[in-house]
Amino acid sequence: DSGVTQTPKHLITATGQRVTLRCSPRSGDLSVYWYQQSLDQGLQFLIQYYNGEERAKGNILERFSAQQFPDLHSELNLSSLELGDSALYFCASSVGQAASPLHFGNGTRLTVT
Amino acid sequence: QKEVEQDPGPLSVPEGAIVSLNCTYSNSAFQYFMWYRQYSRKGPELLMYTYSSGNKEDGRFTAQVDKSSKYISLFIRDSQPSDSATYLCAIPTGGGNKLTFGTGTQLKVEL
Repeated sequence: DSGVTQTPKHLITATGQRVTLRCSPRSGDLSVYWYQQSLDQGLQFLIQYYNGEERAKGNILERFSAQQFPDLHSELNLSSLELGDSALYFCASSVGQAASPLHFGNGTRLTVT
Repeated sequence: QKEVEQDPGPLSVPEGAIVSLNCTYSNSAFQYFMWYRQYSRKGPELLMYTYSSGNKEDGRFTAQVDKSSKYISLFIRDSQPSDSATYLCAIPTGGGNKLTFGTGTQLKVEL
């Protein structure tokens, strides 16, 4: 068990809808990361937060947004969902910002119908 | 050119075999290299974490970095059916702690 908790495990929703994915990092970790994993794209970095502030941004769509709260949990909001957004969304956490190994949760499987 | 490239396999070996998994990377400035293992329906878990060149051993696993060739390898000795999983190399490649992953190599160890 990595200590990173993600909810929900599964989510099925329709195109055009909005969903929120939640992540609780390992105790003591200040950085939270979001990754998207699809069959054709592999693991793609979306965004990183460190102690409540955005630190790095990857290929995150404008329809997607994230935040990290004072208690360090994070939420990823996905809106105007499209079929192509169906994927596994992973949250990871690390102690620091640079060159720290990431510890992943077990993901949220999003299916858009 | 992709920052990190990995042969997707799949790779099938008999139990007890030595497995070699490989990645190449594009930027000679990269210093840290990681290997993750991902079982089906689970998140990636950290296997090995190395800095700069050379070898690092942990039980049946050895990570090797050749910076002159920009090539990293993971060797698994005495492979077991429980090693069947997808193995991903990962390198911090950007601001913050952005990890870029290879596409993963799917390994199956057969009895």
